[in-house]
Amino acid sequence: EDQVTQSPEALRLQEGESSSLNCSYTVSGLRGLFWYRQDPGKGPEFLFTLYSAGEEKEKERLKATLTKKESFLHITAPKPEDSATYLCAVSYSGTYKYIFGTGTRLKVLA
Amino acid sequence: GAGVSQSPRYKVAKRGQDVALRCDPISGHVSLFWYQQALGQGPEFLTYFQNEAQLDKSGLPSDRFFAERPEGSVSTLKIQRTQQEDSAVYLCASSVRLAGEYEQYFGPGTRLTVT
Repeated sequence: EDQVTQSPEALRLQEGESSSLNCSYTVSGLRGLFWYRQDPGKGPEFLFTLYSAGEEKEKERLKATLTKKESFLHITAPKPEDSATYLCAVSYSGTYKYIFGTGTRLKVLA
Repeated sequence: GAGVSQSPRYKVAKRGQDVALRCDPISGHVSLFWYQQALGQGPEFLTYFQNEAQLDKSGLPSDRFFAERPEGSVSTLKIQRTQQEDSAVYLCASSVRLAGEYEQYFGPGTRLTVT
């Protein structure tokens, strides 16, 4: 079954404490893996697209990486304003759908 | 520039009522998606439009759900005879090109509560 699984479900970090979020997927013919940030009461906000294994992208304190089975979102020296739910999604061959994971709720404490 | 907008932002309906949710995508975006998001869950795909053509409606939960995009821009998601299980946030997203390889830009969502 085509599936996207994110871990952990929730994560509490102290300000400055780096960590990684995981997104594993079981689809055939990956076309793209997407990371989004969602704040309460808002729609998801696009962060990154990754297309092939070995690819990496960075934006401020965030770095996304991709392997053949999973993606990591590394957060370096997080700040309280990084607190949000981080979602990953995949698109794959043979369908117009994008499948989302259930997200990781990140809380960064000052 | 303007992002994706949705209206209303909040809707309360009594069970059995019909509702219509509107999405204004980013101008010029070819692809438009509707998602349903339950509390604490990720968005779940409902349907996909490429311009005015509805190419995938496999995620619509029942025949009470209907979506249209008649002129290839604004889209409406209609839910007939609402049930309590329809309570959720309905998200609209648009993408500049065809589905699959491009990121989507989301609206703020419509929170539907069925009482």
